[in-house]
Amino acid sequence: DAGVTQSPTHLIKTRGQQVTLRCSPKSGHDTVSWYQQALGQGPQFIFQYYEEEERQRGNFPDRFSGHQFPNYSSELNVNALLLGDSALYLCASSKEDRVEGYTFGSGTRLTVV
Amino acid sequence: AQKVTQAQTEISVVEKEDVTLDCVYETRDTTYYLFWYKQPPSGELVFLIRRNSFDEQNEISGRYSWNFQKSTSSFNFTITASQVVDSAVYFCALSEDDFGNEKLTFGTGTRLTIIP
Repeated sequence: DAGVTQSPTHLIKTRGQQVTLRCSPKSGHDTVSWYQQALGQGPQFIFQYYEEEERQRGNFPDRFSGHQFPNYSSELNVNALLLGDSALYLCASSKEDRVEGYTFGSGTRLTVV
Repeated sequence: AQKVTQAQTEISVVEKEDVTLDCVYETRDTTYYLFWYKQPPSGELVFLIRRNSFDEQNEISGRYSWNFQKSTSSFNFTITASQVVDSAVYFCALSEDDFGNEKLTFGTGTRLTIIP
């Protein structure tokens, strides 16, 4: 049973560009959350998607947007990249009841130069 | 606002020693959930435990045990007879149950190194 799959694993972008990160949740999971983890820090909640809608959002600017598709997969888009957006972006999926907790992917390492 | 503090930035112990990772949390809610995750070098966060605020029983799973004390707002994690494979960054996290919406607030993590 595949866990959470994220692509790409690594990415280098130039300041001002736009980026799209992708996430496929674990089989049977319908809720997807995105987190940003700066080097040496704990993950910070960006937003959560359920039933193709953004259900909750953290303290991130509108440059960060997302989408969930009918098959529960999700995308994270970041516009007008800043150097400070360099981080590991983690996707987590769960069932609505969250009894099992969240299953995290290995993340996408984004470097903005 | 919710907050999680992991005061220990880095810990090193010799293999087979016991080690305790501290976690202190702040929340105004009476219903909340506490988690521990392990992050190996590969990057993914591995789920270890989820505990709700109404269950203060300590939990043991093999070499792992957790001590939840609401009186001190702490949820500490002990590894008994540590092994090299336990080397990783460990995160404590908190979520507040808000009509089914649940975001995780993480601490800054404790880097655990087990010396062979």
